[in-house]
Amino acid sequence: DGGITQSPKYLFRKEGQNVTLSCEQNLNHDAMYWYRQDPGQGLRLIYYSQIVNDFQKGDIAEGYSVSREKKESFPLTVTSAQKNPTAFYLCASTTGPASYEQYFGPGTRLTVT
Amino acid sequence: RKEVEQDPGPFNVPEGATVAFNCTYSNSASQSFFWYRQDCRKEPKLLMSVYSSGNEDGRFTAQLNRASQYISLLIRDSKLSDSATYLCAVLNYGGSQGNLIFGKGTKLSVKP
Repeated sequence: DGGITQSPKYLFRKEGQNVTLSCEQNLNHDAMYWYRQDPGQGLRLIYYSQIVNDFQKGDIAEGYSVSREKKESFPLTVTSAQKNPTAFYLCASTTGPASYEQYFGPGTRLTVT
Repeated sequence: RKEVEQDPGPFNVPEGATVAFNCTYSNSASQSFFWYRQDCRKEPKLLMSVYSSGNEDGRFTAQLNRASQYISLLIRDSKLSDSATYLCAVLNYGGSQGNLIFGKGTKLSVKP
């Protein structure tokens, strides 16, 4: 089955620790995105990547880092510099400039205490 | 004015009712619009794309009003299973790339 997978579904960390969230897709999509969603809020763009080995900051990139070494994978690291890391993190992908219909993975719910 | 605004609701309607949501956007150059459905604690799922004046898919109709800068989503004959939060997304271009800007969503609750 083609799709986007994110793991783990739930993640718990202590304050001060870096944590990496996984996002993998087998849709052969060029572009991948990371969003953050807080309760009662819309999705806010953290980082995005249009092609391998290239990525751009979104609206709220501070305290996060990404890599795009393979087309299928776009991991997100939440660093200790992120002041309010507890949130629902969603990864999405799309074929690219020809289509902006984004398809989402199931998300990772991160809790930092 | 925020880039994309939605009435947060909740909209509480009986089964079989017709309900409409509006989404206003601030960038008059926006070309593409999307409606997503998000169930509680799940990921958004694409419901409809709107590239011209509108789109229809079964009980769902999306309409675009460029002059007033809003898109609407109409749901006819509401089902219990339509209960969800509906997110509006607008494509904005920055340089050579475009990104989706999401509204905060409108919550719909369909009651028996």
